[in-house]
Amino acid sequence: DQQVKQNSPSLSVQEGRISILNCDYTNSMFDYFLWYKKYPAEGPTFLISISSIKDKNEDGRFTVFLNKSAKHLSLHIVPSQPGDSAVYFCAASANAGGTSYGKLTFGQGTILTVHP
Amino acid sequence: GAGVSQTPSNKVTEKGKYVELRCDPISGHTALYWYRQSLGQGPEFLIYFQGTGAADDSGLPNDRFFAVRPEGSVSTLKIQRTERGDSAVYLCASSLTAGSSYNEQFFGPGTRLTVL
Repeated sequence: DQQVKQNSPSLSVQEGRISILNCDYTNSMFDYFLWYKKYPAEGPTFLISISSIKDKNEDGRFTVFLNKSAKHLSLHIVPSQPGDSAVYFCAASANAGGTSYGKLTFGQGTILTVHP
Repeated sequence: GAGVSQTPSNKVTEKGKYVELRCDPISGHTALYWYRQSLGQGPEFLIYFQGTGAADDSGLPNDRFFAVRPEGSVSTLKIQRTERGDSAVYLCASSLTAGSSYNEQFFGPGTRLTVL
């Protein structure tokens, strides 16, 4: 049962253009969403997050949009840079009764390649 | 500053053997998490500790897997009677706490376990 899904295994973008990575979820209990970036042989690093009470969060070149009715979120990177080439994971967390945000549920990841 | 460290970085073992994987969290982080990442998949939650106690072990696949954190710092993930299907990258993460608000999880580089 894949509760968080990233249906695009890969995305290729030209430097300077916008990258849009998509993520869908099925569990309506999720109330906090995150994007992580991963380089080979390294652990995932946190990129940006959004609470379910918001529909947009922006941090520099990175913006995350949340559509709760569609159970969909997306990460926009603009302008894209070659150094952004990595695997991007969408993750979600549920505050189980107000006691814990410990467990993250991840999607399968999308490989982003930004060409110079 | 020092991040999350994991040892060994690579472990090759034979089917049926016992293995231990170690995680050193960021100093002062009370929450510690273990995830498993199989090839082509996102990290999958195994267990998390708040202090010395396992707050949520719902992700452990079966009773061959066990984790401890006796002094609330270093944690060891133990796998008995290893099977080829246990081959994966085992990721550890830590955060300040895992209470009623989300705290960023910082990941280590992982231990790549190969069961022959």
